[in-house]
Amino acid sequence: AQSVTQLDSQVPVFEEAPVELRCNYSSSVSVYLFWYVQYPNQGLQLLLKYLSGSTLVKSINGFEAEFNKSQTSFHLRKPSVHISDTAEYFCAVSEGYQKVTFGTGTKLQVIP
Amino acid sequence: KAGVTQTPRYLIKTRGQQVTLSCSPISGHRSVSWYQQTPGQGLQFLFEYFSETQRNKGNFPGRFSGRQFSNSRSEMNVSTLELGDSALYLCASSAGQSDTQYFGPGTRLTVL
Repeated sequence: AQSVTQLDSQVPVFEEAPVELRCNYSSSVSVYLFWYVQYPNQGLQLLLKYLSGSTLVKSINGFEAEFNKSQTSFHLRKPSVHISDTAEYFCAVSEGYQKVTFGTGTKLQVIP
Repeated sequence: KAGVTQTPRYLIKTRGQQVTLSCSPISGHRSVSWYQQTPGQGLQFLFEYFSETQRNKGNFPGRFSGRQFSNSRSEMNVSTLELGDSALYLCASSAGQSDTQYFGPGTRLTVL
């Protein structure tokens, strides 16, 4: 069975500092990997995804994540965070079907 | 294209009652998935429908049920509500199997 681990429940970081949100997964087959962001009182928005091909994927707002098969990781990074990045971030894994498994989420708090 | 819409956005019920939540997917999307989000359990998969057929199901009791109509709109029903059913219920749609899911804003259900 697939599973996702987000070890950090909260990550405080100063504005304009870099950040890394960690995600590890387990699965016995090839997977699709996702990062979603959830702003307060809103649904989830897809931030970026890895389906195949290049292991480094990027979003339009400066986030990037790298698929590392040997370490079964898909960490999310941003070189310089902004106040507006304050949100909860969820890593998710899917084995090609719609039954997506989500991690428990990491709350990113950007400190001015 | 309009996004995924969910109605109602907020709902208050009492124990023992039943509730029906509605989800309208993005036009052309045939797959609809439902998730329950709570502070304690995080995001948990409820079930997924594709072309009016339930294709996947999570580990929830039979009080939770759903259906999908020919226009891909989906409803979720919870009978005999319990306090623990208080949660944000999220619906997500996708074009088909293995396609990216797009989430609605959710329905916040409070059971008193």
